[in-house]
Amino acid sequence: EVQLVESGGGLTQPGGSLTLSCAASGFIFSSYSLNWVRQAPGKGPEWLAYISTSSYTIHHADSVRGRFTISRDNARNSLYLQMNSLRAEDTARYYCVRGGAGSTIGWFDTWGQGIVVTVSS
Amino acid sequence: EIVLTQFPATLSLTPGERATLSCRASQSVGTYLAWYQQKPGQTPRLLIYDVSNRATGIPVRFSGSGFGTDFTLTINSLEPEDFATYFCHQRSNWPPHFGGGTKVEIK
Repeated sequence: EVQLVESGGGLTQPGGSLTLSCAASGFIFSSYSLNWVRQAPGKGPEWLAYISTSSYTIHHADSVRGRFTISRDNARNSLYLQMNSLRAEDTARYYCVRGGAGSTIGWFDTWGQGIVVTVSS
Repeated sequence: EIVLTQFPATLSLTPGERATLSCRASQSVGTYLAWYQQKPGQTPRLLIYDVSNRATGIPVRFSGSGFGTDFTLTINSLEPEDFATYFCHQRSNWPPHFGGGTKVEIK
């Protein structure tokens, strides 16, 4: 079974940092691109970041560029999101999402259960 | 940035009726459009990709159509489990973008 499990969320103060992790199983991790997507309560999903299979190509959304960094470790079947300078508007559920095979962004066919990040003083 | 607008925001129907959901792109996305279903407390599930292809395990009552800037998701004969929120998604240009969603609720 293809599975993505996020960890590392929680409550932090404005200006703080968190690192999200995503553990993958059930598929050849190194063969798929990956994404982080977040969803605030009552809102549609918001794509945040993309990383290709070899980490050669990386994209971040304007809303997080310079504050968030996506990375992956194919040896550990893991995806990461380093989040710095967090703001109240970053409060959301964060999803690890599988993209396409190879280095195409593909369609988002597998989502983790998500992890909640709350930024509040 | 290509923005997707979904309408209506809410669709009130009864089981057995047909649902027609719309998604309009601010510029052409060709056929790079997908639809997702999300039930309360659950993660989004891919329903339709490349405008009209059903994802694995998706019933035939779900169908998609359109090209360029105007797209439609049709659910023929709504089942009780189909009452949910639906999002469209484009990957034609960076950044990929989701619409704001249409909630299909029981009338």
